[in-house]
Amino acid sequence: DTEVTQTPKHLVMGMTNKKSLKCEQHMGHRAMYWYKQKAKKPPELMFVYSYEKLSINESVPSRFSPECPNSSLLNLHLHALQPEDSALYLCASSTSGSWGQETQYFGPGTRLLVL
Amino acid sequence: GNSVTQMEGPVTLSEEAFLTINCTYTATGYPSLFWYVQYPGEGLQLLLKATKADDKGSNKGFEATYRKETTSFHLEKGSVQVSDSAVYFCALLGSGNQFYFGTGTSLTVIP
Repeated sequence: DTEVTQTPKHLVMGMTNKKSLKCEQHMGHRAMYWYKQKAKKPPELMFVYSYEKLSINESVPSRFSPECPNSSLLNLHLHALQPEDSALYLCASSTSGSWGQETQYFGPGTRLLVL
Repeated sequence: GNSVTQMEGPVTLSEEAFLTINCTYTATGYPSLFWYVQYPGEGLQLLLKATKADDKGSNKGFEATYRKETTSFHLEKGSVQVSDSAVYFCALLGSGNQFYFGTGTSLTVIP
């Protein structure tokens, strides 16, 4: 089983709303990732969690707040977003094994629209 | 540093045509190389990968060979189908388990 699940599939929110995106995997992976993908562009890395600790934050604005409650779950809390934050948000996970050997498995994404 | 250069699209082919999507890379060390596919409205799916020089990844009729001498990982398929219409991303796995994606190539296969 190489499944990463994400909820919700679609989300529409206003600029004053607070919402959360959820990601779950049950493959025993110890690294989890958030990516942002704009239309017709490759995914851009936002955050990396390794063994439930934030290891990479790619200078993401503070209106995006990640959380890793346990090794299977990854959340992305959203607050005071801007219309330009509208995008597909992808979660991925990997085993966190040997350098250069890991495959990242992606979820289907949450398509976010900020009005 | 690490980077991936991918063939510009969009690419339009007739069903049963031969497909090549070029991908070259720049990397320090010995990276792993991947092709991901993204169908309309969906996330990325791993298509194939190769972890060392001369390895050939293959899946669903697609193939790519890790060529260290030409720093390339071109994607090929002998006979495309309409269902292969998607965006294809070449990617390199660098240090710290960070992926470096190419810009993506959109493929449309017409009946």
